[in-house]
Amino acid sequence: AQKITQTQPGMFVQEKEAVTLDCTYDTSDPSYGLFWYKQPSSGEMIFLIYQGSYDQQNATEGRYSLNFQKARKSANLVISASQLGDSAMYFCAMREGNRDDKIIFGKGTRLHILP
Amino acid sequence: NAGVTQTPKFQVLKTGQSMTLQCAQDMNHNSMYWYRQDPGMGLRLIYYSASEGTTDKGEVPNGYNVSRLNKREFSLRLESAAPSQTSVYFCASSVGLGPETQYFGPGTRLLVL
Repeated sequence: AQKITQTQPGMFVQEKEAVTLDCTYDTSDPSYGLFWYKQPSSGEMIFLIYQGSYDQQNATEGRYSLNFQKARKSANLVISASQLGDSAMYFCAMREGNRDDKIIFGKGTRLHILP
Repeated sequence: NAGVTQTPKFQVLKTGQSMTLQCAQDMNHNSMYWYRQDPGMGLRLIYYSASEGTTDKGEVPNGYNVSRLNKREFSLRLESAAPSQTSVYFCASSVGLGPETQYFGPGTRLLVL
């Protein structure tokens, strides 16, 4: 069974609109971390935001926020006021506990921002 | 700080050739990782090193070996390259104290003919 599921292979969004990228996860470990990375066409992996399983509040970083719904095992990325430079591949990832071998990435969502 | 650096950026190999991908980090991180990225597959962990002197297999270790030369450097070796190893390889590092952020290098594009 997939541990990280990103159900949207691709999305097209009008510039300046808000975007929600879906991510669901599966783990039985009570301690885990959830991450979002951006990969532009240049190829590098850029860290965006992190949410710990024990964090009480949803993480925010500038225009990025993580809508963490623990009971639903959901960790959606919300980008407010999208910009053309947001066009990229976005990956959701999870690390279970302190396990270095338990770092799992989803297959990604390709986001296209339309002018 | 340079962060995580990888060499080379691009490489073309013939089947059966060997090569070593180099990775270095200057953030004093304990943990280092090697991933491969294939189209439609996301990133998959090849090997990781939780601390200097230790290495362990990840999800897809076959055909690869690694060396944690010191705290800064973690190399990935392909002893006998195969076309199935054509991929983009990413090195990453993290502090290693729990579920926290990994920082990635720029990647190495490898083509095996």
